[in-house]
Amino acid sequence: QKEVEQDPGPLSVPEGAIVSLNCTYSNSAFQYFMWYRQYSRKGPELLMYTYSSGNKEDGRFTAQVDKSSKYISLFIRDSQPSDSATYLCAMSARSGGYQKVTFGIGTKLQVIP
Amino acid sequence: EAQVTQNPRYLITVTGKKLTVTCSQNMNHEYMSWYRQDPGLGLRQIYYSMNVEVTDKGDVPEGYKVSRKEKRNFPLILESPSPNQTSLYFCASSLYTGSPLHFGNGTRLTVT
Repeated sequence: QKEVEQDPGPLSVPEGAIVSLNCTYSNSAFQYFMWYRQYSRKGPELLMYTYSSGNKEDGRFTAQVDKSSKYISLFIRDSQPSDSATYLCAMSARSGGYQKVTFGIGTKLQVIP
Repeated sequence: EAQVTQNPRYLITVTGKKLTVTCSQNMNHEYMSWYRQDPGLGLRQIYYSMNVEVTDKGDVPEGYKVSRKEKRNFPLILESPSPNQTSLYFCASSLYTGSPLHFGNGTRLTVT
Protein backbone atom coordinates (compact mmCIF):
# COMPACT_ATOMS: atom_id res chain seq x y z
CA GLN A 1 0.00 0.00 0.00
CA LYS A 2 1.30 3.43 -0.91
CA GLU A 3 1.72 5.97 1.87
CA VAL A 4 -0.27 8.52 -0.15
CA GLU A 5 -3.12 7.51 -2.47
CA GLN A 6 -4.49 9.85 -5.12
CA ASP A 7 -6.85 9.09 -7.98
CA PRO A 8 -5.02 9.97 -11.22
CA GLY A 9 -8.18 10.85 -13.11
CA PRO A 10 -8.49 12.35 -15.63
CA LEU A 11 -11.29 14.49 -14.27
CA SER A 12 -13.29 16.60 -16.73
CA VAL A 13 -15.69 19.28 -15.52
CA PRO A 14 -17.56 22.16 -17.18
CA GLU A 15 -16.43 25.71 -16.58
CA GLY A 16 -17.93 27.11 -13.38
CA ALA A 17 -18.21 23.75 -11.62
CA ILE A 18 -16.95 23.06 -8.12
CA VAL A 19 -14.04 20.64 -8.24
CA SER A 20 -13.13 18.30 -5.40
CA LEU A 21 -9.70 16.64 -5.39
CA ASN A 22 -8.77 14.17 -2.68
CA CYS A 23 -5.93 12.19 -1.17
CA THR A 24 -5.80 9.60 1.56
CA TYR A 25 -2.73 8.63 3.53
CA SER A 26 -1.65 5.92 5.91
CA ASN A 27 1.23 7.51 7.86
CA SER A 28 -0.11 9.22 10.98
CA ALA A 29 3.24 11.01 11.39
CA PHE A 30 2.51 13.39 8.49
CA GLN A 31 2.48 16.93 9.87
CA TYR A 32 2.40 19.32 6.91
CA PHE A 33 0.00 19.06 3.99
CA MET A 34 0.39 20.71 0.61
CA TRP A 35 -1.24 20.98 -2.77
CA TYR A 36 0.83 21.72 -5.86
CA ARG A 37 -0.41 22.56 -9.35
CA GLN A 38 1.57 21.40 -12.36
CA TYR A 39 0.92 22.72 -15.84
CA SER A 40 2.12 20.76 -18.85
CA ARG A 41 5.90 21.13 -19.40
CA LYS A 42 6.28 23.06 -16.13
CA GLY A 43 7.43 22.29 -12.62
CA PRO A 44 4.94 21.97 -9.75
CA GLU A 45 4.01 25.22 -8.02
CA LEU A 46 2.69 25.50 -4.49
CA LEU A 47 -1.03 26.25 -4.12
CA MET A 48 -1.79 25.55 -0.47
CA TYR A 49 0.25 24.73 2.64
CA THR A 50 -1.43 23.69 5.87
CA TYR A 51 -0.41 22.24 9.20
CA SER A 52 -3.46 21.50 11.26
CA SER A 53 -6.80 19.83 10.67
CA GLY A 54 -9.51 22.11 9.34
CA ASN A 55 -10.00 24.39 6.36
CA LYS A 56 -7.76 26.99 4.75
CA GLU A 57 -9.10 29.26 2.06
CA ASP A 58 -7.26 31.27 -0.59
CA GLY A 59 -9.45 32.88 -3.22
CA ARG A 60 -11.28 30.15 -5.14
CA PHE A 61 -9.24 27.41 -3.46
CA THR A 62 -10.01 25.70 -0.15
CA ALA A 63 -7.78 23.06 1.39
CA GLN A 64 -9.26 20.71 3.95
CA VAL A 65 -7.37 18.37 6.26
CA ASP A 66 -8.98 15.66 8.37
CA LYS A 67 -6.21 14.00 10.38
CA SER A 68 -8.59 11.63 12.15
CA SER A 69 -9.67 10.15 8.82
CA LYS A 70 -6.25 10.62 7.18
CA TYR A 71 -7.87 12.47 4.32
CA ILE A 72 -7.12 15.77 2.60
CA SER A 73 -9.08 17.63 -0.04
CA LEU A 74 -8.72 20.59 -2.35
CA PHE A 75 -11.86 22.37 -3.52
CA ILE A 76 -11.85 24.73 -6.49
CA ARG A 77 -14.88 27.01 -6.80
CA ASP A 78 -16.01 28.54 -10.09
CA SER A 79 -13.48 26.47 -12.02
CA GLN A 80 -11.86 28.10 -15.06
CA PRO A 81 -10.18 26.63 -18.16
CA SER A 82 -6.92 28.04 -16.76
CA ASP A 83 -7.30 25.61 -13.84
CA SER A 84 -6.69 22.71 -16.25
CA ALA A 85 -3.55 21.09 -14.86
CA THR A 86 -2.36 18.18 -12.77
CA TYR A 87 -2.84 18.63 -9.02
CA LEU A 88 -0.41 16.91 -6.68
CA CYS A 89 -1.07 16.40 -3.02
CA ALA A 90 1.99 16.22 -0.79
CA MET A 91 2.63 15.68 2.87
CA SER A 92 5.69 15.65 5.07
CA ALA A 93 6.89 13.95 8.21
CA ARG A 94 10.11 14.15 10.18
CA SER A 95 12.56 11.49 9.05
CA GLY A 96 15.90 11.59 10.81
CA GLY A 97 17.02 15.21 10.69
CA TYR A 98 14.72 16.49 7.98
CA GLN A 99 11.10 16.76 6.82
CA LYS A 100 10.62 14.14 4.13
CA VAL A 101 7.97 15.06 1.56
CA THR A 102 5.85 12.32 -0.03
CA PHE A 103 3.81 13.14 -3.11
CA GLY A 104 0.64 11.65 -4.54
CA ILE A 105 0.79 10.67 -8.21
CA GLY A 106 -1.37 13.64 -9.20
CA THR A 107 -4.90 14.11 -10.55
CA LYS A 108 -5.21 15.49 -14.06
CA LEU A 109 -8.02 18.06 -14.28
CA GLN A 110 -9.58 19.43 -17.43
CA VAL A 111 -12.05 22.32 -17.25
CA ILE A 112 -14.15 22.47 -20.40
CA PRO A 113 -15.21 26.00 -21.58
CA GLU B 1 12.93 37.00 -10.19
CA ALA B 2 13.12 34.20 -7.62
CA GLN B 3 13.60 30.95 -9.46
CA VAL B 4 15.15 27.53 -9.75
CA THR B 5 16.92 27.09 -13.09
CA GLN B 6 17.65 23.70 -14.60
CA ASN B 7 19.65 23.00 -17.72
CA PRO B 8 19.22 21.50 -20.20
CA ARG B 9 15.44 21.28 -20.63
CA TYR B 10 15.72 18.34 -23.01
CA LEU B 11 18.52 15.81 -23.35
CA ILE B 12 18.87 12.70 -25.49
CA THR B 13 21.91 10.55 -24.86
CA VAL B 14 23.20 7.02 -25.25
CA THR B 15 23.79 4.35 -22.64
CA GLY B 16 27.01 4.85 -20.71
CA LYS B 17 27.76 8.44 -21.70
CA LYS B 18 28.27 10.53 -18.56
CA LEU B 19 26.06 13.57 -18.22
CA THR B 20 25.35 16.37 -15.77
CA VAL B 21 22.11 18.25 -15.25
CA THR B 22 22.69 21.60 -13.61
CA CYS B 23 20.44 23.26 -11.03
CA SER B 24 20.80 26.74 -9.62
CA GLN B 25 18.60 28.77 -7.25
CA ASN B 26 18.77 32.49 -6.49
CA MET B 27 16.73 32.51 -3.27
CA ASN B 28 19.53 31.70 -0.80
CA HIS B 29 17.75 28.48 0.12
CA GLU B 30 19.43 26.03 2.48
CA TYR B 31 17.64 22.92 1.23
CA MET B 32 17.79 21.47 -2.30
CA SER B 33 16.55 18.21 -3.74
CA TRP B 34 16.29 16.21 -6.96
CA TYR B 35 13.19 14.27 -8.01
CA ARG B 36 12.27 12.12 -10.95
CA GLN B 37 8.69 11.97 -12.20
CA ASP B 38 7.38 8.89 -13.97
CA PRO B 39 3.82 8.05 -15.08
CA GLY B 40 1.95 6.12 -12.41
CA LEU B 41 4.78 6.60 -9.92
CA GLY B 42 4.67 10.33 -9.30
CA LEU B 43 7.57 12.33 -7.90
CA ARG B 44 10.27 10.28 -6.22
CA GLN B 45 13.22 11.79 -4.40
CA ILE B 46 16.69 10.95 -5.69
CA TYR B 47 19.01 12.96 -3.44
CA TYR B 48 18.71 15.94 -1.15
CA SER B 49 21.01 18.46 0.51
CA MET B 50 20.39 20.20 3.80
CA ASN B 51 23.27 22.64 3.26
CA VAL B 52 26.63 23.09 1.56
CA GLU B 53 28.68 19.88 1.60
CA VAL B 54 25.78 17.97 3.20
CA THR B 55 23.99 15.53 0.89
CA ASP B 56 22.02 12.35 1.48
CA LYS B 57 20.18 9.66 -0.45
CA GLY B 58 16.49 9.83 -1.16
CA ASP B 59 14.27 6.94 -2.19
CA VAL B 60 15.81 6.16 -5.59
CA PRO B 61 19.52 7.13 -5.50
CA GLU B 62 20.98 4.22 -7.50
CA GLY B 63 22.86 5.38 -10.59
CA TYR B 64 22.99 9.04 -9.56
CA LYS B 65 25.48 11.32 -7.84
CA VAL B 66 25.19 14.87 -6.55
CA SER B 67 27.42 17.52 -5.08
CA ARG B 68 26.78 20.75 -3.16
CA LYS B 69 29.93 22.82 -3.24
CA GLU B 70 28.07 26.13 -3.26
CA LYS B 71 24.75 27.05 -1.70
CA ARG B 72 23.09 28.00 -4.99
CA ASN B 73 24.12 25.00 -7.13
CA PHE B 74 23.15 21.34 -6.89
CA PRO B 75 24.11 19.38 -10.02
CA LEU B 76 22.82 15.87 -10.74
CA ILE B 77 25.38 13.53 -12.28
CA LEU B 78 24.68 10.30 -14.16
CA GLU B 79 28.04 8.56 -14.48
CA SER B 80 26.79 5.77 -16.75
CA PRO B 81 23.19 6.41 -17.81
CA SER B 82 20.92 3.48 -18.61
CA PRO B 83 17.54 3.38 -20.39
CA ASN B 84 15.68 2.97 -17.05
CA GLN B 85 16.86 6.48 -16.16
CA THR B 86 14.75 7.90 -18.95
CA SER B 87 12.47 10.24 -17.03
CA LEU B 88 11.45 13.81 -16.24
CA TYR B 89 13.76 15.29 -13.62
CA PHE B 90 13.00 18.20 -11.28
CA CYS B 91 15.26 20.16 -9.02
CA ALA B 92 13.62 21.87 -6.04
CA SER B 93 14.72 24.15 -3.24
CA SER B 94 13.26 25.52 -0.03
CA LEU B 95 14.34 27.93 2.68
CA TYR B 96 14.80 25.01 5.05
CA THR B 97 13.60 21.43 5.24
CA GLY B 98 9.84 21.39 5.72
CA SER B 99 9.14 24.75 4.12
CA PRO B 100 7.38 24.89 0.73
CA LEU B 101 9.37 23.65 -2.23
CA HIS B 102 10.15 25.74 -5.31
CA PHE B 103 10.61 23.64 -8.43
CA GLY B 104 12.51 24.17 -11.65
CA ASN B 105 10.80 23.55 -14.97
CA GLY B 106 12.23 20.11 -15.44
CA THR B 107 14.71 18.24 -17.61
CA ARG B 108 13.35 15.56 -19.90
CA LEU B 109 16.05 12.92 -20.29
CA THR B 110 15.96 10.11 -22.83
CA VAL B 111 18.62 7.40 -22.69
CA THR B 112 18.78 5.10 -25.72
